[in-house]
Amino acid sequence: QKEVEQNSGPLSVPEGAIASLNCTYSDRGSQSFFWYRQYSGKSPELIMSIYSNGDKEDGRFTAQLNKASQYVSLLIRDSQPSDSATYLCAVNDSGTYKYIFGTGTRLKVLA
Amino acid sequence: DADVTQTPRNRITKTGKRIMLECSQTKGHDRMYWYRQDPGLGLQLIYYSFDVKDINKGEISDGYSVSRQAQAKFSLSLESAIPNQTALYFCATSRGQEETQYFGPGTRLLVL
Repeated sequence: QKEVEQNSGPLSVPEGAIASLNCTYSDRGSQSFFWYRQYSGKSPELIMSIYSNGDKEDGRFTAQLNKASQYVSLLIRDSQPSDSATYLCAVNDSGTYKYIFGTGTRLKVLA
Repeated sequence: DADVTQTPRNRITKTGKRIMLECSQTKGHDRMYWYRQDPGLGLQLIYYSFDVKDINKGEISDGYSVSRQAQAKFSLSLESAIPNQTALYFCATSRGQEETQYFGPGTRLLVL
């Protein structure tokens, strides 16, 4: 059973701080990695996708991928109360091309 | 304008009833998926379809069936609804393998 693991949180950070979210995965052959944000009762929305080792930056968000260690992380700089949500990590299954989701990390940004 | 739409958005039904949830997309994607999400839990894959003639079971397909009527339409049926199928249901699409998934707004289902 291929798995994606995330700390469920909540992760609490003060407004303006950096929030660091982590995800590990078991499928060594995975090539595609995604971070989604989900507000309570709403659908997941894509924040970042990453396919290569290293960092990928988009505005206040940076995704980091390390395939050798099988982890992917998301940094949120200058965190805002509106960033309070659950962040889902998703990995593409190398055998079936389904998407495997973690259970999400709940982030709380304190004003 | 929504690229992935789901109907209905909310549904209350009784145990034993058959119901259908519908998903339509205008993104032109070949791949479509149905997930359920229970409170505090992650997304569980029910069924997925890589094209009109290719339909596959996910991890929790028991009690569910699907129909891919066209590239743009993918319906989920609960043959005989039971209370533990109360959940939030999401449809998603993707263009190809390893591509980003895009989600519909969800259907909130309550089975009494």
